[in-house]
Amino acid sequence: GAVVSQHPSRVICKSGTSVKIECRSLDFQATTMFWYRQFPKQSLMLMATSNEGSKATYEQGVEKDKFLINHASLTLSTLTVTSAHPEDSSFYICSASKRGVSYEQYFGPGTRLTVT
Amino acid sequence: AQSVTQPDIHITVSEGASLELRCNYSYGATPYLFWYVQSPGQGLQLLLKYFSGDTLVQGIKGFEAEFKRSQSSFNLRKPSVHWSDAAEYFCAVGAPTGFQKLVFGTGTRLLVSP
Repeated sequence: GAVVSQHPSRVICKSGTSVKIECRSLDFQATTMFWYRQFPKQSLMLMATSNEGSKATYEQGVEKDKFLINHASLTLSTLTVTSAHPEDSSFYICSASKRGVSYEQYFGPGTRLTVT
Repeated sequence: AQSVTQPDIHITVSEGASLELRCNYSYGATPYLFWYVQSPGQGLQLLLKYFSGDTLVQGIKGFEAEFKRSQSSFNLRKPSVHWSDAAEYFCAVGAPTGFQKLVFGTGTRLLVSP
């Protein structure tokens, strides 16, 4: 199998605070992890790509100082939304790919962030 | 730049009937093509993928898709739908550049009526 977990599944935070979302590959080593954002009834938008031990590569228009990504190990990546605002409320999804398995991404179940 | 169009926002199919979900892509060459399914509370699951070769691809759960270069399409089909197939379906494309980035369509929600 190739299982990816995310924690928490839901989080509510107050405007101005920061929130951290964890993404773990449970039974494989993830050489690359991806973070997506999904708006209601819309597609998944890639935010950034990260490789273990390297700085994340952000997509155009994504503020790297607002969405901090750390890929600390081959099984863990974290996304920190800093100074969150209501417009950051969204569904955040991570995925991971295995070494040597090209283009196959395994997705986590997502995290629903609500900023009040 | 790549783009993916799924023209149907939602489709309702009777249980046991056949299904076809449409996907059109825009890319200068032949991209890598994927279909994913998203069920509530679960991560996206890969149904099938096309990289090259036979243009009719078989996937899991009885799904298949056909790549038609002339139409820039990669439609997903299933001959007989089950109630458990109700979910959101996403088509995605990747450029064969080695960067492994995927571009997703907006999704089609499948409803299955009894």
